[in-house]
Amino acid sequence: NAGVTQTPKFQVLKTGQSMTLQCAQDMNHEYMSWYRQDPGMGLRLIHYSVGAGITDQGEVPNGYNVSRSTTEDFPLRLLSAAPSQTSVYFCASSYRVAGEETQYFGPGTRLLVL
Amino acid sequence: QQPVQSPQAVILREGEDAVINCSSSKALYSVHWYRQKHGEAPVFLMILLKGGEQKGHDKISASFNEKKQQSSLYLTASQLSYSGTYFCGTDPSGAGSYQLTFGKGTKLSVIP
Repeated sequence: NAGVTQTPKFQVLKTGQSMTLQCAQDMNHEYMSWYRQDPGMGLRLIHYSVGAGITDQGEVPNGYNVSRSTTEDFPLRLLSAAPSQTSVYFCASSYRVAGEETQYFGPGTRLLVL
Repeated sequence: QQPVQSPQAVILREGEDAVINCSSSKALYSVHWYRQKHGEAPVFLMILLKGGEQKGHDKISASFNEKKQQSSLYLTASQLSYSGTYFCGTDPSGAGSYQLTFGKGTKLSVIP
């Protein structure tokens, strides 16, 4: 199993550009999330999904869109990049069965917006 | 609301024990603990449920205070590999690990 994969690893954008951060998981997990991590801030939830076709907003959703057409994929779209969106973005997937739950993070995408 | 972790940083010698605290303004259904090494993704360590059940790491344990608003993570006989930043993720409603609110982290450094 590859686990959770993210592409690209690094990206530089100019203000106003749009892009999609890709996330895929091969563990058949129902739940997926996007977080951003800024220095000294911990991880903040952007959007999450509880299954194909179902998404919802997290703590910091403004400027981002998501969709979940399949169980495996959960792309994050930046509509019009701003310098405040410079961050490291982590995608995660998780399962929950009989009291057991574990969340696995992808390797992250480092985004710089100029 | 973001939980508050303490201390912000701690330095240990190998073999020493450490306690990391995570405080919330609400009673919690569960607390999830992660460790992140520099430049890497967070890695799940363990989950503490409101009934006291724990699932995860062998040498790491956790507890709730009476009001279920504070969790403490106990690292015993620390090893060099324990170095990293520890994050707690809180779940007040039982929604699950996909909707956690994370603290700002505690940086743990283990030295020989």
